[in-house]
Amino acid sequence: DTAVSQTPKYLVTQMGNDKSIKCEQNLGHDTMYWYKQDSKKFLKIMFSYNNKELIINETVPNRFSPKSPDKAHLNLHINSLELGDSAVYFCASSYFTGGSTDTQYFGPGTRLTVL
Amino acid sequence: AQKITQTQPGMFVQEKEAVTLDCTYDTSDQSYGLFWYKQPSSGEMIFLIYQGSYDEQNATEGRYSLNFQKARKSANLVISASQLGDSAMYFCAMSISGSARQLTFGSGTQLTVLP
Repeated sequence: DTAVSQTPKYLVTQMGNDKSIKCEQNLGHDTMYWYKQDSKKFLKIMFSYNNKELIINETVPNRFSPKSPDKAHLNLHINSLELGDSAVYFCASSYFTGGSTDTQYFGPGTRLTVL
Repeated sequence: AQKITQTQPGMFVQEKEAVTLDCTYDTSDQSYGLFWYKQPSSGEMIFLIYQGSYDEQNATEGRYSLNFQKARKSANLVISASQLGDSAMYFCAMSISGSARQLTFGSGTQLTVLP
């Protein structure tokens, strides 16, 4: 009964390839997020979707394209992978109440290594 | 823009003792939420505790409590009766009420519990 799941957990690929990471939540939340955790463990928001609509798109190269087929799924597609894309990518989800109380629950993370 | 500062890159505590992890924040918003997450070596992000800016009482969840001092803009995490399993990276994070709905994270504190 995993709440937020991501696949794959590990992804090793060559520079220039295209890859996707999938995320699913069964918490009934209406908002989903992608965060990137770099090698120094710093976490930064990349995207946020509410009911399949993009609401946050931080300064992320347009090689990164999120897609939300429904409110329980948020996938991340990355084109032309670069060495600097190596990181751990976390999916998260929450309810949206409009306030600051929306607790985000995270998936297990996907460790992407670009060779 | 909001900012979270965690000034302790690493902390050590003896098993069964209490430990305080520091977190200060900066925001001009009046309505915000403060969160603590735990990231063990296995990599997942685990939600621990939440404090709202208008909450008058400090939040508590089991052995975790949040020492919220609004005037000083601090939201320190207190772990009582430390256990070996508490060894992990701890992140303080903030969300702002409104449409942003993103978490801004601090740089984290690596806690090691000694037997």
